[in-house]
Amino acid sequence: AQTVTQSQPEMSVQEAETVTLSCTYDTSENNYYLFWYKQPPSRQMILVIRQEAYKQQNATENRFSVNFQKAAKSFSLKISDSQLGDTAMYFCAFMRGNFNKFYFGSGTKLNVKP
Amino acid sequence: DSGVTQTPKHLITATGQRVTLRCSPRSGDLSVYWYQQSLDQGLQFLIQYYNGEERAKGNILERFSAQQFPDLHSELNLSSLELGDSALYFCASSVAEGVLETQYFGPGTRLLVL
Repeated sequence: AQTVTQSQPEMSVQEAETVTLSCTYDTSENNYYLFWYKQPPSRQMILVIRQEAYKQQNATENRFSVNFQKAAKSFSLKISDSQLGDTAMYFCAFMRGNFNKFYFGSGTKLNVKP
Repeated sequence: DSGVTQTPKHLITATGQRVTLRCSPRSGDLSVYWYQQSLDQGLQFLIQYYNGEERAKGNILERFSAQQFPDLHSELNLSSLELGDSALYFCASSVAEGVLETQYFGPGTRLLVL
């Protein structure tokens, strides 16, 4: 069975600083995909970044980047130059390569302080 | 705005009742996914349809059923409702069913069972 663990229920960061959100997963699959989703107070789910397991290069999207450690089964999200609009719940998600079943972590609540 | 629409936005009903949640995917998307987000269970994948056919099944209760219609909209039917069914139900869509398809989430339907 696949599991996704986010060990930080809540985090705070000062505006303009950098914060890293942790995610670990457990799988026996070799072909899979990892995602970070953002859920602001509006409760909408927004895709932040994704990583294909077969790619060694870490994905980046503007201020968002990941540190993908396949052997350690770790997939952390780094947010640089944090902005007030980054305040949200962040969910790490895992998807097997052959199926579209998603497995989500329990989420990390990020609070960006002015 | 992801382009995925869900109706209704809010739904209040009583235990034992039956409700239908509706989802319209983004234009051109053939795949629809349903998720349940509750306080104690986090975000759970329920079921996926692709072009009218069921493709993957997650933690969906037998009291719940879904279908995707020829016009590609989807409905999630929840029956014999229990208090624990109170949750935010998300629909997401993607272009295809294959590996690594970005899912675009709708705003969700808030269901409250009293």
